[in-house]
Amino acid sequence: DVKVTQSSRYLVKRTGEKVFLECVQDMDHENMFWYRQDPGLGLRLIYFSYDVKMKEKGDIPEGYSVSREKKERFSLILESASTNQTSMYLCASNRGTGTYTGELFFGEGSRLTVL
Amino acid sequence: AQSVAQPEDQVNVAEGNPLTVKCTYSVSGNPYLFWYVQYPNRGLQFLLKYITGDNLVKGSYGFEAEFNKSQTSFHLKKPSALVSDSALYFCAVRRNTGGFKTIFGAGTRLFVKA
Repeated sequence: DVKVTQSSRYLVKRTGEKVFLECVQDMDHENMFWYRQDPGLGLRLIYFSYDVKMKEKGDIPEGYSVSREKKERFSLILESASTNQTSMYLCASNRGTGTYTGELFFGEGSRLTVL
Repeated sequence: AQSVAQPEDQVNVAEGNPLTVKCTYSVSGNPYLFWYVQYPNRGLQFLLKYITGDNLVKGSYGFEAEFNKSQTSFHLKKPSALVSDSALYFCAVRRNTGGFKTIFGAGTRLFVKA
């Protein structure tokens, strides 16, 4: 069974802390994504990566960075967590390059609370 | 710019009745369209997609969706709702001319009453 695994389901951090969210997929997908989900806003794209060491900003990249050193792993980093980053974070991956990329496969989510 | 609208925050339906969850989209060019479902405290699961061809698309768990290009809609339907269908449903769109960004609607909560 295909799988996207997020390392932490629930995290509680303090303002100013550095936070790492890890995501691993076992499907050999080229593309990986980080979204945040907030009630009434749906999913908003933070960053994505279409290849190892490649990254592109999504719609809300401020306050976040990412790392993709290996094809299967995509990390989201909050350099200095703030309370407005309290949210559900969803990692996703899909296959494909060029004009068609397939549906997204999601992890179970990481619920981050920043106090 | 791409956008997706799900006009209803919540849809209530009785078990056994047909259900419809509405979605309209805006995208330059032709779209790829998707529906995903999310159960409590879980990630999203793919239900179905429209890429090209037949406007009526069938997916998982008895769901189907109809692509209507003139109305720029992609409504999700099921002939007979189950209590277990109660969940949060997201419509999503991506351009078919390349690019990686999938844009999601705000979601519609479906509540099926026994």
